[in-house]
Amino acid sequence: QVQLVQSGSELKKPGASVKVSCKASGYSFTDYGMNWVRQAPGQGLEWMGWINTNTGIPKYGQGFTGRFVFSLDTSVRTAYLQISSLKAEDTAKYFCARGTRGTSLLGYWGQGTLVTVSS
Amino acid sequence: QSALTQPASVSGSPGQSITISCTGTSSDVGGYNYVSWYQQHPGKAPKLMIYDVSQRPSGISSRFSGSKSGNTASLTISGLQAEDEADYYCSSYTKSSTLVFGGGTKLTVL
Repeated sequence: QVQLVQSGSELKKPGASVKVSCKASGYSFTDYGMNWVRQAPGQGLEWMGWINTNTGIPKYGQGFTGRFVFSLDTSVRTAYLQISSLKAEDTAKYFCARGTRGTSLLGYWGQGTLVTVSS
Repeated sequence: QSALTQPASVSGSPGQSITISCTGTSSDVGGYNYVSWYQQHPGKAPKLMIYDVSQRPSGISSRFSGSKSGNTASLTISGLQAEDEADYYCSSYTKSSTLVFGGGTKLTVL
């Protein structure tokens, strides 16, 4: 069965970086795009962007350029989200989600990774 | 890209039907039949309930249905059950080749 397993919670200081992983299993990794979605505490879902797992080309959503980087290691079927120069407002749960037709529907989701930014 | 507009909350009694609306523009909801709906229980990951406006993934109850008219999509839940209490989000593909979510609707089963 399709599974997306994300790395564990992170506590970081402002200005630091964090790298969240999302390991896929149960399907052909390069047949589907990988999307990233942010959910701040008590808030709604916010699409961050997606990465084409065939080409490695990312597309970033509005507000997620510069400090946010999507990457892949197809040899271990894993997608990564790296956030640099962390700010308090980056505190959120980050989800990876498998996208059909790239990004038009998110059929399977990881369990989420809580990133807390605090001094 | 502005978020799609959903009511903040809706409620209904067990057995009743409720409808959640999701309003966008001709650049997203109105322009593509790529509207999805997600259910999220507290502390859990979202779950796909409806895709391509009205399609149900395997395993999703037929009590959940979707539709669209112009720039507004709707999710209807019939025969409301206690376990339907959750947050619901719509999403749409956009002309910028991005995805946009609605602000979310909290469903309370009375």
